[in-house]
Order: sequence, then C-alpha cells, then structure tokens
Amino acid sequence: AQSVTQLGSHVSVSEGALVLLRCNYSSSVPPYLFWYVQYPNQGLQLLLKYTSAATLVKGINGFEAEFKKSETSFHLTKPSAHMSDAAEYFCALTGGSQGNLIFGKGTKLSVKP
Amino acid sequence: DAGVIQSPRHEVTEMGQEVTLRCKPISGHDYLFWYRQTMMRGLELLIYFNNNVPIDDSGMPEDRFSAKMPNASFSTLKIQPSEPRDSAVYFCASSLGPGVETQYFGPGTRLLVL
Repeated sequence: AQSVTQLGSHVSVSEGALVLLRCNYSSSVPPYLFWYVQYPNQGLQLLLKYTSAATLVKGINGFEAEFKKSETSFHLTKPSAHMSDAAEYFCALTGGSQGNLIFGKGTKLSVKP
Repeated sequence: DAGVIQSPRHEVTEMGQEVTLRCKPISGHDYLFWYRQTMMRGLELLIYFNNNVPIDDSGMPEDRFSAKMPNASFSTLKIQPSEPRDSAVYFCASSLGPGVETQYFGPGTRLLVL
C-alpha cells in the first residue's frame, strides 16, 4: 500500500525565516513524489516533482526538496519565507504507471511579518 | 492554453436535487481525474479516465455518484440525489500520462448541499 504523511497540519514562520515542510512516504514501488501548493479558493499548482533523475529537486518560487530513500522522506524547504508563500502545501505520491496521485493531508503555512 | 476549465465554480443546491459538475481538460491530455476535497478527508481521488475510458472508479463513494467522458474535451460528474455530506470542493485535473507526468488542476467547484 502507498501512503503519504505530512507532519504538522499548520506551520508558522516569520518572513525571511527558513521554511521546512515535512513529508514521509510509504511505497512498495519506486515512487514519484510531488509537492503542490494551493492558494485560497484556487486549484493546486505544481511546485516540484521527483522523477528519480536527481535527489535534490528545485522548483518554482525558490522551493526545493530532497528525496531521501533511507528516510523515506521528501521534505520541502525554502531558505527565506516571503509573505506570498502563505498557502497550503500538499505532498503527493504515485508509482510506476499508476495514474492516480495519493495526497497527504496538507500543511498550511502562515508567514508572519 | 487556458488550462483545465471547470463549471460551475460554485453550486448551492438542496438535498435530493441532481448536481452536474463539468470539466474541460487541457487539449492533448489523455488522462482526466476527478478529486474531492473536504476538511475531514483531505484530497481523495474519485475516478480517472484514460482516453475517455474509466480506469479506476474505486473512489466513487456510492451509486449516487457517476462520471462520464463522452469525448476527449469534456467530462461530467453527477450526483443524484445529492446529500449534505456531499458538500465539498470538487477538482478536475488532466495530464499527458500516468506516473511521473504532472497533473494540472482546475480551479474547482465548491458544492454546498443544504
């Protein structure tokens, strides 16, 4: 079975501080991993994805994530938070030729001025 | 491209009424997905299609839900009869393929069943 666990339903950081959103996964096949962002009243937008080409993945808006197989993790980071980063972030998983994505419960990021 | 288009954006209906949600995928995308988002259950897949054929409908909650894709540019999700517990945001997404291919999401339909 496949699953995604996001630690912390709500994370609050100060503007300019490091952002770290945690994601752990379980998969019986080599995984493809994704981070999506959802702004209020909008659909989901892809931030970045792991496709097995490189373990450190860079995405849009200065975000990056590192795939660590030994830790079954795919944590999302950004060195310096901006007010515009306030949103909900979802980690998702699929594998092989599987069509559907399995999502974590999401982490709502707040950025304090 | 205009992206994935969903209509209506908001729907308020009374219990027992039929609800039809519509989706136009990105042109050229062979896969179409319907997701539901609620506070309690998060994002869950309802059904997905490949080349207009339903592949996995195991997420459809019950017989009150049905989905069709009559052609490559249009899909519907129907709830009949609707119940208050169906209140949620319903997303449609499309992609070029399975697995590593990115799924592009529409803006969602916010459904409230009174």
